[in-house]
Amino acid sequence: TQTVSQSDAHVTVFEGDSVELRCNYSYGGSIYLSWYIQHHGHGLQFLLKYYSGNPVVQGVNGFEAEFSKSDSSFHLRKASVHWSDSAVYFCAVIHDSGYNKLTFGKGTVLLVSP
Amino acid sequence: DTTVKQNPRYKLARVGKPVNLICSQTMNHDTMYWYQKKPNQAPKLLLFYYDKILNREADTFEKFQSSRPNNSFCSLYIGSAGLEYSAMYLCASSSSGSERLFFGHGTKLSVL
Repeated sequence: TQTVSQSDAHVTVFEGDSVELRCNYSYGGSIYLSWYIQHHGHGLQFLLKYYSGNPVVQGVNGFEAEFSKSDSSFHLRKASVHWSDSAVYFCAVIHDSGYNKLTFGKGTVLLVSP
Repeated sequence: DTTVKQNPRYKLARVGKPVNLICSQTMNHDTMYWYQKKPNQAPKLLLFYYDKILNREADTFEKFQSSRPNNSFCSLYIGSAGLEYSAMYLCASSSSGSERLFFGHGTKLSVL
């Protein structure tokens, strides 16, 4: 059984700060890792994904994530956050079995104070 | 148009009554999914259609039904709603070969 753990339920930072949202997974096979963002009242939106190659992947709006096989992690980072980055962030794993079945973490609420 | 549309946005249902939620997409995606999201829990996959084939997760097999009369449309059906069905229901779609899912804004179901 694959699991996704997001250790921080809430993260609060000031505008202009850097932020890291943590994601750890447990699965030993081939997987895709991704992050989704959900602004209040909106659907989940894709941010970025990783499968192989360069462990640092770039996403939209200045977000990037780094894969670490040794740590079983896929943390999301942004160097300088804006108030509009306030949202819920979900880490997700797709087991390489087809059909793009996502297993999500519980999400991290990011609050950016102006 | 890269949107997934869900109707209604809010749904109130009585215990024991049926519930039907609707989702549509115009991206010609071959796969459509239904997730259940409860507060402080991860979104949970209930079932998905790949083309015309319905796949239901083992632990929700008996509780939910679905239909996909055409490529664009997918419904989620609860035959007899219980209080435990109160949740946000998220519809998503994707194209095989792409690991990106497109989500609707969800339908919040409240069972009283």
